[in-house]
Amino acid sequence: EDQVTQSPEALRLQEGESSSLNCSYTVSGLRGLFWYRQDPGKGPEFLFTLYSAGEEKEKERLKATLTKKESFLHITAPKPEDSATYLCAVVGGYNKLIFGAGTRLAVHP
Amino acid sequence: DARVTQTPRHKVTEMGQEVTMRCQPILGHNTVFWYRQTMMQGLELLAYFRNRAPLDDSGMPKDRFSAEMPDATLATLKIQPSEPRDSAVYFCASGLIGDGRVVTDTQYFGPGTRLTVL
Repeated sequence: EDQVTQSPEALRLQEGESSSLNCSYTVSGLRGLFWYRQDPGKGPEFLFTLYSAGEEKEKERLKATLTKKESFLHITAPKPEDSATYLCAVVGGYNKLIFGAGTRLAVHP
Repeated sequence: DARVTQTPRHKVTEMGQEVTMRCQPILGHNTVFWYRQTMMQGLELLAYFRNRAPLDDSGMPKDRFSAEMPDATLATLKIQPSEPRDSAVYFCASGLIGDGRVVTDTQYFGPGTRLTVL
């Protein structure tokens, strides 16, 4: 069965304090791994898609990387506006998007 | 700025009542997804349509849930009869997805319908 596990569940950072979020996955043939950001009361907002191990993508202060077992979302010098829940999702052989439980990130000034 | 719209944004109903949620996908998108989000289960895929045809509804309780796309601009999710365990936020998402890559391309989510069944 395809599974996605995100850690930590919650992360509190000071503004400017870089860190990483982890997404570990078990799928039967990875077809794609997605990162989404979700603000309270809103739908998930697409950030990145990664398709193969070794791939990396960047957007502003965020950088996503992928290995054969996990993905990291690196946040460099975060700002308070980066506070949100970050969701990881995978598509495997069953062609369904399976979401992790998310990491709640709080960045304090 | 094209976006997915959902109505109603909030719905409170009593157990046993019919609930209909509506979604307008982004114009030109050919695939529509329905998700449910709860604190306990997170985001779960209920069903999805491509070019208005249902492709997969295996995540949906068949006895009470139904999903349709009457036309390219409207998708509906109905619950009849509703139960307290159906309380959740229901999201619609749409995407422009090519042949052979049904779920691997980018999906754009609507703001959700928060359903409370008493």
